[in-house]
Amino acid sequence: DAGVIQSPRHEVTEMGQEVTLRCKPISGHDYLFWYRQTMMRGLELLIYFNNNVPIDDSGMPEDRFSAKMPNASFSTLKIQPSEPRDSAVYFCASSPGTNFYEQYFGPGTRLTVT
Amino acid sequence: AQSVTQLGSHVSVSEGALVLLRCNYSSSVPPYLFWYVQYPNQGLQLLLKYTSAATLVKGINGFEAEFKKSETSFHLTKPSAHMSDAAEYFCAVRKGGSEKLVFGKGTKLTVNP
Repeated sequence: DAGVIQSPRHEVTEMGQEVTLRCKPISGHDYLFWYRQTMMRGLELLIYFNNNVPIDDSGMPEDRFSAKMPNASFSTLKIQPSEPRDSAVYFCASSPGTNFYEQYFGPGTRLTVT
Repeated sequence: AQSVTQLGSHVSVSEGALVLLRCNYSSSVPPYLFWYVQYPNQGLQLLLKYTSAATLVKGINGFEAEFKKSETSFHLTKPSAHMSDAAEYFCAVRKGGSEKLVFGKGTKLTVNP
């Protein structure tokens, strides 16, 4: 299996621009998680889906952030408009339904907002 | 509320020495506890898990952890460090009855030759 795939790996954008991060989970996994990692705050869960349905988005920082999962093999995290404080590494992870805690992480997208 | 505290943001050991990474948890329910490892420029990888079975848990790459309820600890150990163990290690606890994990701040392990 190819593992969790994220694109792009690096994104540099200017403040105010829209940013879209993409994730392809492992085939057959029921859960998909979006995390943000920064030096200051560590690893934070933003939102997670079960069978394409958002279950908990309490970690989404504000309305500028939105996430979708239109089908079992694709999810997006969108930031509009982006701000410098959004600079972080964003990880997508997926897990099987039976063992949700066995999360398989993608390589991450390093976002820099200038 | 469930949380974990990792003692020491940086740990340095010599190759062949014992590795001990500390994690204390807080949980109002019997906890599910995990250790994940992150190699440079990669995502996290599950190292081992405790889900209320045996208190001594063995993971990949020779690591193990012992759940001690009386000490609310779940420390990670490896008898002999290898250069390839250099990475950042995260302790995590399941949040309540949900599918959410709460991660610690991480401990960066350096292995010196």
